[in-house]
Amino acid sequence: GNSVTQMEGPVTLSEEAFLTINCTYTATGYPSLFWYVQYPGEGLQLLLKATKADDKGSNKGFEATYRKETTSFHLEKGSVQVSDSAVYFCALPQGGSEKLVFGKGTKLTVNP
Amino acid sequence: EAQVTQNPRYLITVTGKKLTVTCSQNMNHEYMSWYRQDPGLGLRQIYYSMNVEVTDKGDVPEGYKVSRKEKRNFPLILESPSPNQTSLYFCASTPRGRTDTQYFGPGTRLTVL
Repeated sequence: GNSVTQMEGPVTLSEEAFLTINCTYTATGYPSLFWYVQYPGEGLQLLLKATKADDKGSNKGFEATYRKETTSFHLEKGSVQVSDSAVYFCALPQGGSEKLVFGKGTKLTVNP
Repeated sequence: EAQVTQNPRYLITVTGKKLTVTCSQNMNHEYMSWYRQDPGLGLRQIYYSMNVEVTDKGDVPEGYKVSRKEKRNFPLILESPSPNQTSLYFCASTPRGRTDTQYFGPGTRLTVL
């Protein structure tokens, strides 16, 4: 079945630093890809998505490009803020179903 | 406001004492599911339901039960909780056939002593 491998961290950065969280996937076909974010004490929220190869998803200054050549969907942000401290999950659907398969999550801490 | 609600948000219990975590959605979604989140393991699906009276096992169903008597509700039942079920639980819902609009509840942190 489909699977995702995500850089586990934790990652600690200073404010305004550049962020990359790596995510690679194994899938049949070209499913949609997602990044979810979990802020402290909250549930998961969809951060961004890409539905086909070469698509770039973006939201709140975060970006990720769907690269089928490298089967990757790395999350990037040029200048992180303290408020970006959260756990980030890469995800994709399992074999055409509604079920999502998640990476193990990467905890990001941004210090002022 | 479109939302998934879970209750309780926090629960501490003892081994063997039956408990139910409720989940409700107000978006008329057909598909609902339960996940558990554990450090280093990410989120794993426990059970899912494609519609009323249709439920099936996910990846880690042992020790859990669910029911789907109404479209909006999908309770998670632990008949005899054990310490290895201490975890953070999330309910989610989405329209049938969609994955890009999955809504998650706020989570229930369960501790089994």
